[in-house]
Amino acid sequence: QKEVEQDPGPLSVPEGAIVSLNCTYSNSAFQYFMWYRQYSRKGPELLMYTYSSGNKEDGRFTAQVDKSSKYISLFIRDSQPSDSATYLCAMRGNQAGTALIFGKGTTLSVSS
Amino acid sequence: DGGITQSPKYLFRKEGQNVTLSCEQNLNHDAMYWYRQDPGQGLRLIYYSQIVNDFQKGDIAEGYSVSREKKESFPLTVTSAQKNPTAFYLCASKASPTGYQPQHFGDGTRLSIL
Repeated sequence: QKEVEQDPGPLSVPEGAIVSLNCTYSNSAFQYFMWYRQYSRKGPELLMYTYSSGNKEDGRFTAQVDKSSKYISLFIRDSQPSDSATYLCAMRGNQAGTALIFGKGTTLSVSS
Repeated sequence: DGGITQSPKYLFRKEGQNVTLSCEQNLNHDAMYWYRQDPGQGLRLIYYSQIVNDFQKGDIAEGYSVSREKKESFPLTVTSAQKNPTAFYLCASKASPTGYQPQHFGDGTRLSIL
């Protein structure tokens, strides 16, 4: 079983839709969870950063962590064509200096 | 503007040739990382450095070498021993190797074989 599983998509939605992106993981030691957005031919940019379980909201984006189910989600409300990108989840353990483990990314396309 | 600069954006390698990818950051970050990204594979760690003059192998270090002579610079050399070098290479940095801050990335170098 891979440490982090992420549905690669592609996921296509109309403008204004609510998008749900998800990752599952197997290592119960993971405590820090990140979502990165990557546009074509660009580096990943940090969208959301959460610690342990719970929700975090930033504008149209909400990150959820359910440690009991080893499941994290990123919700995008009122999706826009500019949200079309690949979304990568990433996570690491609590011990300082441990490596960041990435999902393979989900490609999202929002049509106008 | 503070950030991570990778150059060149595109690079072509001939058979048997070593090539060096540049990564420079002006964020005063201690830790720097090199990743390789292949389609459908996600990011895989090649090398990382927590402090000047020190670096460690990541998961796929074979065929690559690095140096860290200055805090702001972490060049990656793809050697002729790397038989499948075609990929998108990403450099990242973090303020402290032992802190809980996230990593920030440059815009990558795409390497292809001639």
